[in-house]
Amino acid sequence: DAKTTQPNSMESNEEEPVHLPCNHSTISGTDYIHWYRQLPSQGPEYVIHGLTSNVNNRMASLAIAEDRKSSTLILHRATLRDAAVYYCILRARYQGGSEKLVFGKGTKLTVNP
Amino acid sequence: NAGVTQTPKFRILKIGQSMTLQCTQDMNHNYMYWYRQDPGMGLKLIYYSVGAGITDKGEVPNGYNVSRSTTEDFPLRLELAAPSQTSVYFCASRRTDSTNEKLFFGSGTQLSVL
Repeated sequence: DAKTTQPNSMESNEEEPVHLPCNHSTISGTDYIHWYRQLPSQGPEYVIHGLTSNVNNRMASLAIAEDRKSSTLILHRATLRDAAVYYCILRARYQGGSEKLVFGKGTKLTVNP
Repeated sequence: NAGVTQTPKFRILKIGQSMTLQCTQDMNHNYMYWYRQDPGMGLKLIYYSVGAGITDKGEVPNGYNVSRSTTEDFPLRLELAAPSQTSVYFCASRRTDSTNEKLFFGSGTQLSVL
């Protein structure tokens, strides 16, 4: 399975940008890069995904390296509500459509007031 | 839209007891999943279903059973609870098998087996 590597934790100040890195050196050509986040005592929540090009949505931006071996989730202005564990995931499809999402430990983001 | 609803939110079981974790979704999603999350760890896939009447094993299926008689419901059954099954259980669903489709998760069931 293609795996991802993320820092265990990061800190940011409120209203400052946050760049959350993810390494995925064994990514295959058909793997999409997905980001989910998990707020305390809640289930994971979709944030953004991409294949090759950078992506933007109302929650965040995703910057993907040209060789696709790494990506960065960008929160443009962190708020206290963004404090969560952020997971970088490769969507690896298997025969039969099984969703073997490989969730690592993620990055715990702390946002300081 | 309620999304994915899990019940109960908390449960304590004694070793050897059985229980069913309920999961229902109102988005007419074909694909449904059960994950478990041990403290400080990521999620591991237990079972999944690609539609009513079709289920298959994930990474850690031992000690669990599932059924999918309707599109909306995907219950997870623990027959003989063991301490190793102490975990938070998440149900999830998505519309199709496309890698563009996002997963919707429930809020989880925290289970302790003592």
